[in-house]
Amino acid sequence: GENVEQHPSTLSVQEGDSAVIKCTYSDSASNYFPWYKQELGKGPQLIIDIRSNVGEKKDQRIAVTLNKTAKHFSLHITETQPEDSAVYFCAASLDNAGNMLTFGGGTRLMVKP
Amino acid sequence: GAGVSQTPSNKVTEKGKYVELRCDPISGHTALYWYRQSLGQGPEFLIYFQGTGAADDSGLPNDRFFAVRPEGSVSTLKIQRTERGDSAVYLCASSVNGAASTEAFFGQGTRLTVV
Repeated sequence: GENVEQHPSTLSVQEGDSAVIKCTYSDSASNYFPWYKQELGKGPQLIIDIRSNVGEKKDQRIAVTLNKTAKHFSLHITETQPEDSAVYFCAASLDNAGNMLTFGGGTRLMVKP
Repeated sequence: GAGVSQTPSNKVTEKGKYVELRCDPISGHTALYWYRQSLGQGPEFLIYFQGTGAADDSGLPNDRFFAVRPEGSVSTLKIQRTERGDSAVYLCASSVNGAASTEAFFGQGTRLTVV
């Protein structure tokens, strides 16, 4: 089955700096890659996703890149703010609709004011 | 609000007991998912419903775990003969129809503790 590795497990940045989180996946047939933000005591919330026919996608301060050859994808957050502090999860799915997601282990991002 | 609702929010049970966890999806959503999240880890897929039927239950760890969605709306995850290793947050999510470009919305989860 699919295996998703996520790094780093914790990341501390100064407010205004950029943050990058990286994930690798094992199954080359995976074709949908969402990123979730999870705040304490809440369920994960989708923040951005990318499908295998696209190499990069951007939404305001958040961007995701995908390298299918290398089987890795990354989340980039620019101009970080304290409210960006949370746990971020990458995921991969063989199903283009993401009906069965395999999640990475998570990255705890701390943005210091 | 009209989000995914899970009850109870917390459940403590003794080893060997039976538990039921309930999920109320967003009204009109036909696709429903159960995930399990152990402490410090990412969610792990359990089962996916499309309407009343389980489209994929390959993530259920063993036959102690069972889930139903008899009317295509509310779903119940049932765990028999609970073990301490079942302790985790059980997350439910729903999406409009499980098709591409439809977002899955997660509930806040039920924290299950088996003592």
